[in-house]
Amino acid sequence: AQSVTQPDIHITVSEGASLELRCNYSYGATPYLFWYVQSPGQGLQLLLKYFSGDTLVQGIKGFEAEFKRSQSSFNLRKPSVHWSDAAEYFCAVAPGGSQGNLIFGKGTKLSVKP
Amino acid sequence: GAGVSQTPSNKVTEKGKYVELRCDPISGHTALYWYRQSLGQGPEFLIYFQGTGAADDSGLPNDRFFAVRPEGSVSTLKIQRTERGDSAVYLCASSFKGNSPLHFGNGTRLTVT
Repeated sequence: AQSVTQPDIHITVSEGASLELRCNYSYGATPYLFWYVQSPGQGLQLLLKYFSGDTLVQGIKGFEAEFKRSQSSFNLRKPSVHWSDAAEYFCAVAPGGSQGNLIFGKGTKLSVKP
Repeated sequence: GAGVSQTPSNKVTEKGKYVELRCDPISGHTALYWYRQSLGQGPEFLIYFQGTGAADDSGLPNDRFFAVRPEGSVSTLKIQRTERGDSAVYLCASSFKGNSPLHFGNGTRLTVT
């Protein structure tokens, strides 16, 4: 069965430091991959997505993610974290090739130290 | 413009009661999705509408859960004989068509006491 694993439940980084959030997926073929962010009291917002082609994808708010087929990973990165990035981040896979029926990981909560 | 609107934002009900959760999608979006997010978990797919019809209801956990979208716009998720395990945040999302990015609402937090 398809699944998404986010190994880190909670990460704390200092403002201005770099960030990498890990995501591993289990799927037979190359899936559609997504990262969403959920701020307190707000809905999920799409940061970026990967369907095919260039394995390094750029998203909103200065985020990027790299698809590595050999590692079944799709890690999210940001070179310099801002206090406003504090939120919960979810990796998701669309096994059916649709952007709607998604399988989400359990999320990683990001805290930012001043 | 207006985003996806979900009402109520919070709902507290007693075990065994019936509840309805409403979702008002972005105008013009033909696809509508319901997800459930339990504490400490990621969202879990429940059902997908394309227009008025349920194109995929494989995520509904049992027959106590039902959803409708009679006019292809507003959708209602209905839960009968609620159980404490139904407590979660119910998320609605819409998209322009079936394979477009999702726009999520803020969710309805359901608490069953």
